[in-house]
Amino acid sequence: AQKITQTQPGMFVQEKEAVTLDCTYDTSDQSYGLFWYKQPSSGEMIFLIYQGSYDEQNATEGRYSLNFQKARKSANLVISASQLGDSAMYFCAMREPSNTGNQFYFGTGTSLTVIP
Amino acid sequence: GAVVSQHPSWVICKSGTSVKIECRSLDFQATTMFWYRQFPKQSLMLMATSNEGSKATYEQGVEKDKFLINHASLTLSTLTVTSAHPEDSSFYICSASLPGYRVGNTIYFGEGSWLTVV
Repeated sequence: AQKITQTQPGMFVQEKEAVTLDCTYDTSDQSYGLFWYKQPSSGEMIFLIYQGSYDEQNATEGRYSLNFQKARKSANLVISASQLGDSAMYFCAMREPSNTGNQFYFGTGTSLTVIP
Repeated sequence: GAVVSQHPSWVICKSGTSVKIECRSLDFQATTMFWYRQFPKQSLMLMATSNEGSKATYEQGVEKDKFLINHASLTLSTLTVTSAHPEDSSFYICSASLPGYRVGNTIYFGEGSWLTVV
């Protein structure tokens, strides 16, 4: 089974509107971390937001918030007041504990286009 | 925040030659670094985990002799694509995690390197 599933290959949003990018995950661990990264056309991966499995409140970072629904195993990214510069690929990722501490899984990504 | 620097950003090499890509953690010691390959419009594919002072751990299907990884210090890991061929053309990106095995330790990425083999 896929560890991270992003079902939206591409999304469009009007400038200044909010958009939700979906992410579901699969794990049997109680302790895990969920991350979102932004990848513009230049290729760099930019860390956006983190949610720990034990965090009771949804994480927020500026215009980014993470809608964490543990029972549904979903960690959707919400971008409020979209800007043209938000157009990019967005990757959801999960980190699980392991002997080496290095298990990090990425989804297939969602391409977001912000329309003026 | 933590910074990871990757060099070069762009490289063009002739088929049959080797090319080296460097990944440096600038403000923290990275005992572990990761190398990914990314094809256009696809997700990151983990190639190998680079451990300081020991041999890298390669993912299944990744040729160890073709993609040489060296992690000689706590701040530097290198990926050498040996005898490069056009099919090796891709975007390669490295990352490093803050020390410690906590799930909350995010991974910071380098800027990535576009390799074109002609």
